[in-house]
Amino acid sequence: AQSVTQPDIHITVSEGASLELRCNYSYGATPYLFWYVQSPGQGLQLLLKYFSGDTLVQGIKGFEAEFKRSQSSFNLRKPSVHWSDAAEYFCARTKGATNKLIFGTGTLLAVQP
Amino acid sequence: GAVVSQHPSWVICKSGTSVKIECRSLDFQATTMFWYRQFPKQSLMLMATSNEGSKATYEQGVEKDKFLINHASLTLSTLTVTSAHPEDSSFYICSAGGGGRTEAFFGQGTRLTVV
Repeated sequence: AQSVTQPDIHITVSEGASLELRCNYSYGATPYLFWYVQSPGQGLQLLLKYFSGDTLVQGIKGFEAEFKRSQSSFNLRKPSVHWSDAAEYFCARTKGATNKLIFGTGTLLAVQP
Repeated sequence: GAVVSQHPSWVICKSGTSVKIECRSLDFQATTMFWYRQFPKQSLMLMATSNEGSKATYEQGVEKDKFLINHASLTLSTLTVTSAHPEDSSFYICSAGGGGRTEAFFGQGTRLTVV
């Protein structure tokens, strides 16, 4: 079955440190891939997306993600984390050839001063 | 990106009553809308897909008689939680797609609390 795996439930980094959040997808042809951020009690904000082409995708707030077909991965990175980045991050993929999304379980990011 | 508006942002209702949540695409015609549910500290799960002018398609395990979805126009889909119970308390969020767009856009979500 199509799925998205975010292996890290909770990550803590120090402010200013680099960040990498892992995401793996399974099954079949390359789907469209997304990273969303959700602050407590809020909706989803799209950080970036990958459809095709350049495998390194730039997003908002200084985030980027790299699609690696051989590893079925789409990891999110940021070179220097800010305290305001503390939130929950969701990786998602399209389901088949539709706009339905399958979400990973999320990674909760805490930022230490 | 396109703008999708969801209303209300939050609602508290008594057990046994029904609640309607609206999802509107403000600047494009959404031929397809999706409804997701997110329980506290969990991920988002797709509940159903609605296509304008036709019946919604529900994911396995979602009660269609409890979660009534109507997509009567290209800009509006509604989700009605009928005879709500405390276990229906959740964050409901819609997304709208179509109109030639390659992705669907999310509304702000509705936090439902049933007391």
